[in-house]
Amino acid sequence: GQNIDQPTEMTATEGAIVQINCTYQTSGFNGLFWYQQHAGEAPTFLSYNVLDGLEEKGRFSSFLSRSKGYSYLLLKELQMKDSASYLCAVIDSNYQLIWGAGTKLIIKP
Amino acid sequence: IAGITQAPTSQILAAGRRMTLRCTQDMRHNAMYWYRQDLGLGLRLIHYSNTAGTTGKGEVPDGYSVSRANTDDFPLTLASAVPSQTSVYFCASSGQGRDEQFFGPGTRLTVL
Repeated sequence: GQNIDQPTEMTATEGAIVQINCTYQTSGFNGLFWYQQHAGEAPTFLSYNVLDGLEEKGRFSSFLSRSKGYSYLLLKELQMKDSASYLCAVIDSNYQLIWGAGTKLIIKP
Repeated sequence: IAGITQAPTSQILAAGRRMTLRCTQDMRHNAMYWYRQDLGLGLRLIHYSNTAGTTGKGEVPDGYSVSRANTDDFPLTLASAVPSQTSVYFCASSGQGRDEQFFGPGTRLTVL
C-alpha cells in the first residue's frame, strides 16, 4: 500500500527554527508537495520538489531525498502566523496525489 | 470570480436526503478534484476529472457521484446522505496532474 508518515504535532518557539519530516512509500514518484493549512481554511501551496536537494523560498526550505523516500520542510525565524498544519503529498506513478495526515505546528511566544 | 469557489459554505442535512456541492473555477484548469478531510485522516480523494467530459474514482468514491460537463464546473452529489459523510469537503483544480493544486474554501457538511 501507499503510505506517507509525518509527526502528528510539533511545538516550537517564536523566532526559532523547526524541521518537519515526511517519509513516504508510494508506487512510483513524480514529485512531492508541501502545503500549509490554517485552522478552518483551505490548504495553500508552499513548495514542490522533484529532484534531490534543497529548494529555498524565503523563510521556508524543502529538502528531498528520493533514494531514502524522505523530505523535510524547514521553517526559519518562526512567527506566530506560522501556527498551522503542514501537509506532505506525493505524486505517484498514476499522477495521483497521495496525502499525509499533516503535522500540526504550534508556535509559542 | 477569481480562483475556485464552492457552495454552500456549510450545510446541515438530514440522513437520506440528496445534496449537491458546487465547485467552479475560472483558471481554465484541466484537472479538478473532490476531497474530504476528517480529523486525523488528512485529505482523501473522492473523485477526480483530468479533463472536461471525463471522471475517475479516487480513494473513497462510494456514496458520491460527479460530472464534468464543462471545464469550469465540477459538482459533487450525495445521492442519499449518511452520517458518515459528515466532513469538510474541498474542491481543487490544477493545470495537469503533476501541477500544484489550488483549493476552494471548503464546504462543511453535517449529516444528522
